[in-house]
Amino acid sequence: EDQVTQSPEALRLQEGESSSLNCSYTVSGLRGLFWYRQDPGKGPEFLFTLYSAGEEKEKERLKATLTKKESFLHITAPKPEDSATYLCAVKRGNTDKLIFGTGTRLQVFP
Amino acid sequence: NAGVTQTPKFQVLKTGQSMTLQCAQDMNHEYMSWYRQDPGMGLRLIHYSVGAGITDQGEVPNGYNVSRSTTEDFPLRLLSAAPSQTSVYFCASSYGGGARNTEAFFGQGTRLTVV
Repeated sequence: EDQVTQSPEALRLQEGESSSLNCSYTVSGLRGLFWYRQDPGKGPEFLFTLYSAGEEKEKERLKATLTKKESFLHITAPKPEDSATYLCAVKRGNTDKLIFGTGTRLQVFP
Repeated sequence: NAGVTQTPKFQVLKTGQSMTLQCAQDMNHEYMSWYRQDPGMGLRLIHYSVGAGITDQGEVPNGYNVSRSTTEDFPLRLLSAAPSQTSVYFCASSYGGGARNTEAFFGQGTRLTVV
């Protein structure tokens, strides 16, 4: 069965304290792995798509990486405005359906 | 760019009432979908559509109907609301099929409470 697991469930960081969020997945024929950011009361906002193992993408303080079993979202020197819930999702095979993890709630304190 | 627009943003229903959640996108996306988000359970797929006139069930379809008469619109109907349908509902759209850029864009959500 296709499954996406994110860890930790919640993460508290001091401003400037770098860390990583994990997304492990089991899926038949990965067609893409997606990272989203979700602020309270808002819809998920697209961050990155990764298609194959070894691929990396960067945007400001965020860097996403992908292996055959998991993806990491690295946050370098985070700021309070990075506080949000980060969601991971996968598409498999020849379908456009997204399978989501339950997210990591990140809080960055000044 | 409007992107994906959902209405209403908030709704309170009584048990047994019916209603339609509206979703419209202006990006000419073939694929549209509805999710519900509940605490601790992540986003779960209710129904989806790969194009006008084509719909199919997702993971949690019971109690919901959809139709897709145009590319732009994908309404979600609650037939007889139940307290278990209290949730936040998100509509999403994306290019489908063999398109390279298949990331989904989400609306701002509808917070539904059934009493």
